[in-house]
Amino acid sequence: DTEVTQTPKHLVMGMTNKKSLKCEQHMGHRAMYWYKQKAKKPPELMFVYSYEKLSINESVPSRFSPECPNSSLLNLHLHALQPEDSALYLCASSQELAPGTGVRTGELFFGEGSRLTVL
Amino acid sequence: AQSVTQLDSQVPVFEEAPVELRCNYSSSVSVYLFWYVQYPNQGLQLLLKYLSGSTLVKGINGFEAEFNKSQTSFHLRKPSVHISDTAEYFCAVSKIQGAQKLVFGQGTRLTINP
Repeated sequence: DTEVTQTPKHLVMGMTNKKSLKCEQHMGHRAMYWYKQKAKKPPELMFVYSYEKLSINESVPSRFSPECPNSSLLNLHLHALQPEDSALYLCASSQELAPGTGVRTGELFFGEGSRLTVL
Repeated sequence: AQSVTQLDSQVPVFEEAPVELRCNYSSSVSVYLFWYVQYPNQGLQLLLKYLSGSTLVKGINGFEAEFNKSQTSFHLRKPSVHISDTAEYFCAVSKIQGAQKLVFGQGTRLTINP
């Protein structure tokens, strides 16, 4: 069983809709991540939050808006998406030993993903 | 920057046969090394990791991997595979300090045939 919970598991939205993906972990991890995975490809990093602050944005279009309201929750707000944004969106978390250092125990714990289809 | 090359995109194997999935990496700094498995329609699950110490690491489901610094390799092995091992396998590296990026290889599709 994964300790990173993502909702919803499936989401279908139109290009004018606004929706959100949610991620929750209760492992006390202070680094949380959003990845995007297209079919038959490896995950691609989108955002990293460290101690609830955005530390990495991999030049993601502004139609994707991340939010980290507290240390356990991570949201990805979606607006005006394109069909090519259809993908599996994976949330992950990891322990970070000190704020802003990027020093971690190493492994990421992934959720099962939210499969997004944009019509 | 770090990069990962998985040398085989697909590996078909008969059940109960041994398997090796190959991974080579490139980095100018020290890295952690990982193998993740992704079953159909699921997220990624950590199989094993190398942080330091013994170069032979054992993971879940009977998998093991050997870190070879001189050859910059981290090949994954299992002596006898099962149908349930059919999945996509990703090798990944991350810097020990600094940016929190996990760099993945392109993946190897392991298919177990009865």
